[in-house]
Amino acid sequence: EAGVTQFPSHSVIEKGQTVTLRCDPISGHDNLYWYRRVMGKEIKFLLHFVKESKQDESGMPNNRFLAERTGGTYSTLKVQPAELEDSGVYFCASSQDSSRETQYFGPGTRLLVL
Amino acid sequence: AQKITQTQPGMFVQEKEAVTLDCTYDTSDPSYGLFWYKQPSSGEMIFLIYQGSYDQQNATEGRYSLNFQKARKSTNLVISASQLGDSAMYFCAMREIWSNDYKLSFGAGTTVTVRA
Repeated sequence: EAGVTQFPSHSVIEKGQTVTLRCDPISGHDNLYWYRRVMGKEIKFLLHFVKESKQDESGMPNNRFLAERTGGTYSTLKVQPAELEDSGVYFCASSQDSSRETQYFGPGTRLLVL
Repeated sequence: AQKITQTQPGMFVQEKEAVTLDCTYDTSDPSYGLFWYKQPSSGEMIFLIYQGSYDQQNATEGRYSLNFQKARKSTNLVISASQLGDSAMYFCAMREIWSNDYKLSFGAGTTVTVRA
């Protein structure tokens, strides 16, 4: 069974540009999460989808970040316009529908905003 | 407020020896789950082991075991018979199940270096 996949693995963009990150969860996992780790800081929650609906977006830093999960399969996280402080590693995770289920993480996308 | 505290930024361990990574947590939820993840230099986050707050026994998974002390709100990870491939960053995380809160709160991580 394929794990969580993320694309791209790395992205280097200039301040003001737009970047879109993609996450494909494990097949059959209704729950999809986005986290990020900014350099030197802890891994922080961004948002949680249940199928195509946003269950919790309390961690989204501001309205420059837009997450979607059309059709309840893969998800995209768009940053527009990117700022220097958005640099970090963006992780996606997925789990099945139980609250006790383990979240399985993807390899992350390393974003560098110059 | 900090929910997960990992006080050891880095640790060295000799190959084949055991190492204990500390993790304390803070929650008022009566039901919660505690997780440990490993992040090798390649960057992916690998799930290692889980402990539920109502589990009567300490969780074990191969060479990984937890020393879960509920009253002290700590869940230390023990890696036995360390191998060179265990060199990585280790994160402790918690989910507050009672609050129906699905998100994980992470600690700052501990870097483990295994010496030959």
